[in-house]
Amino acid sequence: VQLVESGGGFVQPGGTLRLSCAASGFSISAYDIHWVRQGIGKGLEWVSAIGEGGDTYYSDSARGRFTISRENVKGSVWLQANSVTVDDTAVYYCARVIAPKGGVFDVWGQGIMVTVSS
Amino acid sequence: DIVVTQSPDSLAVSLGETATINCKSSQSVFKSRNGQHYIAWYQQKPRQPPKLLVYWAYNRESGVPDRFSGSGSGTDFTLTITNLQAEDVAVYYCLQYLTYTRTFGQGTRLEIK
Repeated sequence: VQLVESGGGFVQPGGTLRLSCAASGFSISAYDIHWVRQGIGKGLEWVSAIGEGGDTYYSDSARGRFTISRENVKGSVWLQANSVTVDDTAVYYCARVIAPKGGVFDVWGQGIMVTVSS
Repeated sequence: DIVVTQSPDSLAVSLGETATINCKSSQSVFKSRNGQHYIAWYQQKPRQPPKLLVYWAYNRESGVPDRFSGSGSGTDFTLTITNLQAEDVAVYYCLQYLTYTRTFGQGTRLEIK
């Protein structure tokens, strides 16, 4: 059972980043998936979530610029951010929510680094 | 949004001693429907994703040593690590997951004295 993020790397300020979270060992369609990011040397910051049914949720800092979506057939969840700034530089993690434990994150990806720089 | 505040920011404890980390939420994270407090504790080591230690305030995750225990109610919660081991050096975070918009505490760095 694991999640694997991809799509990170260098992005220019004002550009677009698009991250993918792929599941293996389980069906991603049965789970809510969240994105959490961590700036270099900083704490964990919740970014966004998508429910099994496709409902979406965003932090105040992400709302309006970030879009979360899912493609259950492909076993993936996507996070896109427009008009990125240096403040979006971070390691981005996707995480699975386990309903029997109330919705806590039980499986995390290894994280993907995104650097916003000119 | 629910704000979660941890204390202290950092902590140095001798091997074999007890470390105590506190977490305070700006509003109750209790759900009366199931009688649970929606607070979890995570351990994060360098270059690793967070690892779940405790959920619903005091339920230890499978495989986590019983040196780790959670307690608290209402808006005040505590992670206690007894008989501190060298491998416990890490940053610890509390998380409220009562709402879809999750919030983490700022983290507590635990070191060996």
